[in-house]
Amino acid sequence: KAGVTQTPRYLIKTRGQQVTLSCSPISGHRSVSWYQQTPGQGLQFLFEYFSETQRNKGNFPGRFSGRQFSNSRSEMNVSTLELGDSALYLCASKGQLAGDSTGELFFGEGSRLTVL
Amino acid sequence: AQSVTQPDIHITVSEGASLELRCNYSYGATPYLFWYVQSPGQGLQLLLKYFSGDTLVQGIKGFEAEFKRSQSSFNLRKPSVHWSDAAEYFCAVGALTGRRALTFGSGTRLQVQP
Repeated sequence: KAGVTQTPRYLIKTRGQQVTLSCSPISGHRSVSWYQQTPGQGLQFLFEYFSETQRNKGNFPGRFSGRQFSNSRSEMNVSTLELGDSALYLCASKGQLAGDSTGELFFGEGSRLTVL
Repeated sequence: AQSVTQPDIHITVSEGASLELRCNYSYGATPYLFWYVQSPGQGLQLLLKYFSGDTLVQGIKGFEAEFKRSQSSFNLRKPSVHWSDAAEYFCAVGALTGRRALTFGSGTRLQVQP
C-alpha cells in the first residue's frame, strides 16, 4: 500500500507570495490532517478534512486554508507569505470508522517551505 | 484542554545502553496515547499506541511504553539502544472519541554515542 505522498518536497518563496501544497492520503483513508512543524513551536495542528469537509481547525490565521477533493486528496494554501511561515508542513491521513476520530495518523515526509 | 510534556529536550546515551524517554500528559478523559519517531528530513513514524487494555504496550523496533494513569505518564523504553535509533521522538495524546486533533509534545532528540 502506498504511503502518504506530499508534493512538492521542497520549495522557496518570497514574502507576499502564496503557496499551495498537495497531499495524497493512503488509499481508502478519508481523513487528512495538516501540521506545521518549526524548531520553535514544534508540531502545531492546522486543520483536518474528512469527506471534503473541514471538521477541525487549529489556531492559525485565515491566510492558512485548505480543501479536500472527492478522491480524498487535499491541498493547503498559504497566502501572503511571511518569514515566519518557513516550516515543514506535514500531512497525515488516518483510516477510521465513520464519525469516530480514533485512529493513528500516517504521516507523509513533508513539504519544506522556505520564505525569503 | 489536552497537553503533552516531554521534559527532556535532548538525551545522549551510549550504544547498547538502556533508554527511557519521559512523557506526561494532561487530558480530561480516557486518553489515546502515541509515540512517534522522526528521522532527519523525514515524516513521523508510529512506534506504538495505547488506548485500553494492558498498560505495557509493545511497539516496533524493540520499543515499549507503559501507561501509568496515576502519574499521567506514558514513558517510552528500550533495553538496548542501537546507533540507528538516533532521531527525534514525539509523544502525542488524542481522544478516543470525538473530533479532536492529536496534540504533540515538543519532542526529545536522542543522540547515540558509539
